Amino acid sequence: DAKTTQPNSMESNEEEPVHLPCNHSTISGTDYIHWYRQLPSQGPEYVIHGLTSNVNNRMASLAIAEDRKSSTLILHRATLRDAAVYYCILRALYGGSQGNLIFGKGTKLSVKP
Amino acid sequence: NAGVMQNPRHLVRRRGQEARLRCSPMKGHSHVYWYRQLPEEGLKFMVYLQKENIIDESGMPKERFSAEFPKEGPSILRIQQVVRGDSAAYFCASSPRDREDGYTFGSGTRLTVV
Repeated sequence: DAKTTQPNSMESNEEEPVHLPCNHSTISGTDYIHWYRQLPSQGPEYVIHGLTSNVNNRMASLAIAEDRKSSTLILHRATLRDAAVYYCILRALYGGSQGNLIFGKGTKLSVKP
Repeated sequence: NAGVMQNPRHLVRRRGQEARLRCSPMKGHSHVYWYRQLPEEGLKFMVYLQKENIIDESGMPKERFSAEFPKEGPSILRIQQVVRGDSAAYFCASSPRDREDGYTFGSGTRLTVV
């Protein structure tokens, strides 16, 4: 599976937008970009995913570079409840991993009041 | 529509005992995945199952660990003869048939071996 690179940590102020970057320079044409987050002492939570076009849902937006070698998860107004570890994961539509998600270290987001 | 249900939430076992962790996937989800998270570490894939089939067990330790997803009932992750190093949070996730969709994770079972 192609790998992703994320900053170890980021800080944000409450009610400000947050842009969480992810690099995936070896992405293949059939890899979906998934984002999950894990709040303290909880299981991971699906946030958003996309293939080529930018995506929006009630939780966040996903901006995907034209060459697909990077993407950015956008939280439009951070709240204290958004403090979590955010994982950017490539999920192969076909092939050897059978689609299981490979979690890296993620980005630990801290939100200051 | 209930989410992924895992039980028990907390499990304490003495060294050498067996641990059984249960996972009921979301209604309509036929794919189940088990992950382990050691203290202060990331999530590690263990096994991927469909009903009555193990699809990928590449992350399972070679001994003492087994998993099943029977035709009826929950998926079970079984750890025989537990050791202190098995203490971790074990998460189950499920997904619909379509691989493009996201996973839904349960709240996990926190196993403590004393």
